[in-house]
Formats: sequence, C-alpha cells, structure tokens
Amino acid sequence: DGGITQSPKYLFRKEGQNVTLSCEQNLNHDAMYWYRQDPGQGLRLIYYSQIVNDFQKGDIAEGYSVSREKKESFPLTVTSAQKNPTAFYLCASCVGNQPQHFGDGTRLSIL
Amino acid sequence: ILNVEQSPQSLHVQEGDSTNFTCSFPSSNFYALHWYRWETAKSPEALFVMTLNGDEKKKGRISATLNTKEGYSYLYIKGSQPEDSATYLCAPKGRRALTFGSGTRLQVQP
Repeated sequence: DGGITQSPKYLFRKEGQNVTLSCEQNLNHDAMYWYRQDPGQGLRLIYYSQIVNDFQKGDIAEGYSVSREKKESFPLTVTSAQKNPTAFYLCASCVGNQPQHFGDGTRLSIL
Repeated sequence: ILNVEQSPQSLHVQEGDSTNFTCSFPSSNFYALHWYRWETAKSPEALFVMTLNGDEKKKGRISATLNTKEGYSYLYIKGSQPEDSATYLCAPKGRRALTFGSGTRLQVQP
C-alpha cells in the first residue's frame, strides 16, 4: 500500500540538541510539505519542496532546516535555534492540484 | 500569510442534526480550496478540492460550496452521525502552498 511514513512517533529533545524527523513517501509525489500544529491552532507551514533538490521556506521556517535529496524523502531537522519546538509535526505530499496525503505525525517534546 | 478564518471554532450537535461551517479567505490570488477531515488519533483525510466559483461537491452526507468572488466556502453535513465527530479544516491555495484555517471541531452526541 502506498503512503507516507513518519518516524519516530514520539521524540524528545534535550536543550541545545538538533533532532531530525523522518518523512518517507512511496506515492511518487513530487511535492512534500512539513507542518507544525500547536494546541488550538491550525497547521502552519514550515517548509515545502516541489521537486528534488529544491525547497522553499514556509511561514515559520526559522529554527528548522530540510533537505530533498531523493523524491521519496523529506527530513526535517529541528535545530537548537528553535526555542519552542514542542509541537505536533505533520508531513504531507501531493501531486499537482490533487489533495495532500498526510503521515501520522511526530510529537516532539523537550526534556 | 493568508488570513483564513473558520467558524464556528467548535460545535456540539445531536445525532441526526444537520449542520454547516464556514471558511473565509482572501479572494485574490486564489487557485483552489481544500477541505479535510481530521479525526482524533488519525491523519487528516481529504474531503474536497474545489477550484471554480459556484463549485458544489458532495460525498455521501457531506457537501461543500465555493464562492471565490467573495472568498468563502460552506461545508454541510446532513443528518450528523457520531462518526462525523472530527475537526474540519479548510485550506485555500494561493501562489505558493495551502494555508490552513484553525478548523471547526464537531462533536456529535448519540
């Protein structure tokens, strides 16, 4: 079955540490997205990539970095510069103007 | 950042009631409007993608309409069931990517 896999499901970060969230898709979708959700808020766009080796900042990119070396993979690194990383992170992919498909999310907390 | 507003924020209805929610968005630079349903402990699931002014889409008991000139979309649920309980997200697409509203949280009491 095709889909999007995010790992890990839960992640804990120590102060000053960078952590990387994984997102893999086997849907052959060109575009991939990272969103953050905080309690009571909608999904906010962190980064997106429409083709391999290219990505764009979203609305809240500060403190995050991404790479898109392969079509199937779009990892998100939460750097130590992100002072409030505790949130639920969702990865999505799509092709053209079709609806986005979402992973199951990663919940990141600070130790 | 697009200003997307969804109302109401939350809604409690009885099983069998019909209900509707609103999504308001800027009418300029509009490309498409997406609706998603997000059930607790699951990932968001696409309901509709609408692009044309006056578009109406239907999926079972759920339907949606779109007015791109005034910048709003309505989502209707006819005869709500407990399994309809979820957060309903709308997301207009501008030049770059989708911008999600904060959602309408629907609780259907049996």
